[in-house]
Order: sequence, then structure tokens, then C-alpha cells
Amino acid sequence: AQSVTQPDIHITVSEGASLELRCNYSYGATPYLFWYVQSPGQGLQLLLKYFSGDTLVQGIKGFEAEFKRSQSSFNLRKPSVHWSDAAEYFCAVGETDKLIFGTGTRLQVFP
Amino acid sequence: GAVVSQHPSRVICKSGTSVKIECRSLDFQATTMFWYRQFPKKSLMLMATSNEGSKATYEQGVEKDKFLINHASLTLSTLTVTSAHPEDSSFYICSASKLAGERNTQYFGPGTRLTVL
Repeated sequence: AQSVTQPDIHITVSEGASLELRCNYSYGATPYLFWYVQSPGQGLQLLLKYFSGDTLVQGIKGFEAEFKRSQSSFNLRKPSVHWSDAAEYFCAVGETDKLIFGTGTRLQVFP
Repeated sequence: GAVVSQHPSRVICKSGTSVKIECRSLDFQATTMFWYRQFPKKSLMLMATSNEGSKATYEQGVEKDKFLINHASLTLSTLTVTSAHPEDSSFYICSASKLAGERNTQYFGPGTRLTVL
């Protein structure tokens, strides 16, 4: 069955530091991959998505993600984190017309 | 743009009453709308998928008679929690995919916090 794993439940970084959030997926075919961000008490905002082509995908708010087929990974990165990036981050894989979400990674940013 | 709204953002009701939550795509037509439930510090659980003019498809374990979904137009879907009980308290989020959009791309509403007393 298709699944998404986000190994890190909680990550803490200092403002200005680099960030990498891990995402691994299990999917039979070429996956459609997404990263969403959720601020407390809010809905989800799409950061970026990968369908095909260039494996390095640029998103909003300075985020990028790299699709690595050999590792079944789609890690999210940002070179310099801002305090406003503190939120919950969800990786998802598209299956037919549905999305399968990972369990999320909570990012905490210290000044 | 791709803006999805939900109303109300927060609702408190008594046990046994019914609550309706609206989900609207404001600047696009949505072929499909999705309803999710999110428990505290948990991921999103897909409850059902609805297409305009047809019956919703419910995920396994979701009671269709309890969670009534109506998708009356390409911009509006409603979720009615019937005879609500405290265990139905949760954060409900809807999403919509565009009529002529990229596959699987869903745009999410801001969510509705339901508290059943």
C-alpha cells in the first residue's frame, strides 16, 4: 500500500540556520509529491509539488525540495529559516485523485 | 489564485444537534472536493470525496449517515454532522481541486473547529 513517512516528529532550529525536513514514500508508480505547511489552527498551504521533470523543485517562501527516486525521498529544504516558518509541515503523495499524508513534522524556530 | 473558504471557522454545539459546515472555492470551479478530519497533533484523515452532482464516496470506517455531504455546485460543498456527540469534536478541513487543474493538487480551506458539549 502507498504510504508516506516523515521520520522527524519535531525539529528545532535557530533562526538563520538551514533546514531539511525528511520525507520518504512508498509508491508503485511515478509519484506526485507535495509539501504543505499548516500554521496553528489553520488550513494547509501548498509549498511546492513535483509531478515530473527537474527533480529539484522550487516553492514559495524560499523552500525547495528534491525528488530522489533511488532513495524514495522528497526532502524539503530551506537555506535560512525565519521565525515565521514555525509551523507543521506535511508531505503527501498523490494516489489517483486522493492525497496520502505523512504524520507531519513540527518545526520550532528559536531566535 | 486558488482560494477556498470554510464557514463557520469555529462552532460549539450541544450533544444531539446537527451542524453544517460550508466549503466554497472562491475563484475557481472545483471538480472534486474533499473533507478531512484532523485530531490534535495528528495528520489529516480523509473522510470523503465529493463530486458535483453525485453522491460522495466515503472512506472506510466513516459513517455516511452521520457525516452528510452535499456537493450542490462546482463551488460549494457542505458537510453536516448529524446528531453530534462529544467524540465528533475535531478540526474539519475541506479542500478542492480545480476543474482544469493539475492532477492531485488540492487547495485547502482554513478549517472549522467543532466542539460538541
